Amino acid sequence: DQQVKQNSPSLSVQEGRISILNCDYTNSMFDYFLWYKKYPAEGPTFLISISSIKDKNEDGRFTVFLNKSAKHLSLHIVPSQPGDSAVYFCAATHSGNTPLVFGKGTRLSVIA
Amino acid sequence: DAGVTQSPTHLIKTRGQHVTLRCSPISGHKSVSWYQQVLGQGPQFIFQYYEKEERGRGNFPDRFSARQFPNYSSELNVNALLLGDSALYLCASSRSGTLSQETQYFGPGTRLLVL
Repeated sequence: DQQVKQNSPSLSVQEGRISILNCDYTNSMFDYFLWYKKYPAEGPTFLISISSIKDKNEDGRFTVFLNKSAKHLSLHIVPSQPGDSAVYFCAATHSGNTPLVFGKGTRLSVIA
Repeated sequence: DAGVTQSPTHLIKTRGQHVTLRCSPISGHKSVSWYQQVLGQGPQFIFQYYEKEERGRGNFPDRFSARQFPNYSSELNVNALLLGDSALYLCASSRSGTLSQETQYFGPGTRLLVL
């Protein structure tokens, strides 16, 4: 039973445009959410996180939005660059010493 | 500062063999977690260690074991390898043992192929 779902396996966006990656979760106990980026042959790299007490967190070109009532979060990348092409994983955890639960990932391709 | 390091980078084993994977956390980090990532899936939690004690264990058989050393480095051991153990094994470190509300930083992984 998948607690974190990334329903789009892939996404293609033109350079300079906005990339929007989506993530849904089912466990209402989750209170901390993270996005990781993964290039081939490398480990996941931390990108941005958000606590459940917020609904938005911004870091440069990356913004994460959290909609707790819908159990949905999204990652916005503006403007998208070719170097952003990677697999993006959404992950969630909650208080009480629990591990990260990952989605299956979305492969983003930014086309020049 | 050096990030999380893992060795070896690649490994080929045959069914029934045993494997040991190694991880060194970021300096100052006391917690190490292990994840298994099979093709097309997200990483799955295997173990977490903090101050040499097991703090969490995922849904993996007893063939999987781990330990943490006084310098906070860690080993993951897998006995009686099965074809299905072929995966990328990721190590992540974090400062404390709480796991929640704290960012984990990943190493490059060890790619294990079981033939």
